[in-house]
Amino acid sequence: RKEVEQDPGPFNVPEGATVAFNCTYSNSASQSFFWYRQDCRKEPKLLMSVYSSGNEDGRFTAQLNRASQYISLLIRDSKLSDSATYLCAVFSGGYNKLIFGAGTRLAVHP
Amino acid sequence: EAGVAQSPRYKIIEKRQSVAFWCNPISGHATLYWYQQILGQGPKLLIQFQNNGVVDDSQLPKDRFSAERLKGVDSTLKIQPAKLEDSAVYLCASSLLRGTQETQYFGPGTRLLVL
Repeated sequence: RKEVEQDPGPFNVPEGATVAFNCTYSNSASQSFFWYRQDCRKEPKLLMSVYSSGNEDGRFTAQLNRASQYISLLIRDSKLSDSATYLCAVFSGGYNKLIFGAGTRLAVHP
Repeated sequence: EAGVAQSPRYKIIEKRQSVAFWCNPISGHATLYWYQQILGQGPKLLIQFQNNGVVDDSQLPKDRFSAERLKGVDSTLKIQPAKLEDSAVYLCASSLLRGTQETQYFGPGTRLLVL
């Protein structure tokens, strides 16, 4: 089993739609969680950290479920510019490093 | 604030050749990371430096890969000899400190194709 798993997609959604991605992790000792955005042929950029209480940044909401060992990202009112690959990353205390999932591809169409 | 700089941006070599990549982290960032990202996968950590010391190189194929950060600033990653499966994007990242909540900032990457 991979340490961090994501549905590769692609998720094809119309503008204005709400879309949600999940990411599961296997190490229950994982300490911190992040969502990164990666545009085609570009480097990953931090989108948001994921806190235990959940957090929101504009149209983006991140949630953490420690019991089921997954994090989620919800995007409301999707824009064309949201089209990208969304990588989840888990800081594994045991390994003391950031472990990335393979990413979920989102395509928003007019 | 200048971001993480990497060069070259692209490199095409034949298998068994050598190649080197350079990274200049964000000024003041003590921690530097080299990741390998194969097409369709997430970045995989190869090596992590804290200042000029290696703190994790468990995933670095040491028979062919080497990296150094001699003065605790710039870093180079070398592959010698290259294999076809080394074709990937090599990303350098830096963070101010090491820690569970430290944001890692990535450079634009070097896209390597081994023929």
